[in-house]
Amino acid sequence: DAKTTQPNSMESNEEEPVHLPCNHSTISGTDYIHWYRQLPSQGPEYVIHGLTSNVNNRMASLAIAEDRKSSTLILHRATLRDAAVYYCILRETSGSRLTFGEGTQLTVNP
Amino acid sequence: ETGVTQSPTHLIKTRGQQVTLRCSSQSGHNTVSWYQQALGQGPQFIFQYYREEENGRGNFPPRFSGLQFPNYSSELNVNALELDDSALYLCASSLYGAPITQYFGPGTRLTVL
Repeated sequence: DAKTTQPNSMESNEEEPVHLPCNHSTISGTDYIHWYRQLPSQGPEYVIHGLTSNVNNRMASLAIAEDRKSSTLILHRATLRDAAVYYCILRETSGSRLTFGEGTQLTVNP
Repeated sequence: ETGVTQSPTHLIKTRGQQVTLRCSSQSGHNTVSWYQQALGQGPQFIFQYYREEENGRGNFPPRFSGLQFPNYSSELNVNALELDDSALYLCASSLYGAPITQYFGPGTRLTVL
C-alpha cells in the first residue's frame, strides 16, 4: 500500500475550522483516499473518502490536490467531540485492508 | 441497524495461554477484518474473512487464526500468547467490494502477563 505522511499533532480552538493535511506522493491512479478518526477508547470511525474530486458530507469536507499527491480533511467548526486521532489512508479499489499510519492527534481547546 | 459488537471488552491472560475473541458484524455485512492496535500506534491489519474463508492476511504469524460463521460473525484465536500480544484487538465489518467503508467495533483490550 502507498504511504501517507501526516503531522503527529495539531491543535485547534472550539468552533474554528481545522485543516488536517496528508501527503501521499506515491499514490496510484486506483487509490482512494480515506479518512478515519479514532476517539479515545473507541474503534476507528469512517469520516470521508474520495478519488479525484472534492467531497463533502455531514461530518467533514475532503479537498484533494489536482495531482492527487496531497489532500486535506476540513472540519468546518471544530467541537470538543472532534478531539481524536485522524488517519489518512490510501486504499486500492480491490484492496481488502486498511493500512493505518500513526495519524494526527487533534486537540480542540475550549 | 445493529452496529459491530465485540466480546469480551477486557481480558487478562498469561504467557503461553490461548485466547478467543468474538465479533458480531453489522447487519447486512458479509466481510469481517481483524486489526491489532498496540498502545500509541495505528491499527495493524491481521486478516479478513469473506464467505467463511480467509481473504487476505497481514504480517502476523500462524498462531493468529480466525473463523467466520454462516451468520458472518467471526472469531480471532491467538495461541501461545506472548507479552507483545498485549493490545487492543479491533474487528471491522463491511460489504465485500470497493471502495468500501469498514465499520469498527469498540475492541477487546487483551493484556498478557
